[in-house]
Amino acid sequence: SQQGEEDPQALSIQEGENATMNCSYKTSINNLQWYRQNSGRGLVHLILIRSNEREKHSGRLRVTLDTSKKSSSLLITASRAADTASYFCATEQNTGFQKLVFGTGTRLLVSP
Amino acid sequence: GAVVSQHPSWVICKSGTSVKIECRSLDFQATTMFWYRQFPKQSLMLMATSNEGSKATYEQGVEKDKFLINHASLTLSTLTVTSAHPEDSSFYICSAGIGASSGNTIYFGEGSWLTVV
Repeated sequence: SQQGEEDPQALSIQEGENATMNCSYKTSINNLQWYRQNSGRGLVHLILIRSNEREKHSGRLRVTLDTSKKSSSLLITASRAADTASYFCATEQNTGFQKLVFGTGTRLLVSP
Repeated sequence: GAVVSQHPSWVICKSGTSVKIECRSLDFQATTMFWYRQFPKQSLMLMATSNEGSKATYEQGVEKDKFLINHASLTLSTLTVTSAHPEDSSFYICSAGIGASSGNTIYFGEGSWLTVV
């Protein structure tokens, strides 16, 4: 399977704390994307980082990419209860545009 | 912003029947759409690439005769689960991106819950 791995599988924190999720993948990529999914709903695109980029920020989100280690991390700072959701990394591999291979996901629970 | 719409949001069907799920790009044209399946508490698995005007490309292990995909226009792809069985019960979700190049934002539908009884 080409599916990426994410850790931790589940993360429980208090509001105001930071949440860090890690993603590893197996093949060469064009870019890596992070998505959020509320329970039983569709996916919301959070951030995209290209293979030639190492770090990217968007609001409270910070994403890093290490192509030599085939890994990425998503940091959510000053978390809020509304951040509770599942987070998935997805890689667009160089075998097909817009075709995504998803990681296993991290379920984040932020308690008030 | 660009929106991808799926219909129905949820459907219950009897074992042995077929059910069709639609995926529409509402304000952009999509020559390529993708269909994913997600079992509870699991990740999304790509099922197939839907190509406008041509046959879909299926991922390894996905039965093309069971999961029929039709991409008859630039804004509509349909997934038909034929002779559905309880093990086909899952969350099906489609995606589409603007343009055909790498790095463009990909939009996902809200998904369709299928329950086969």
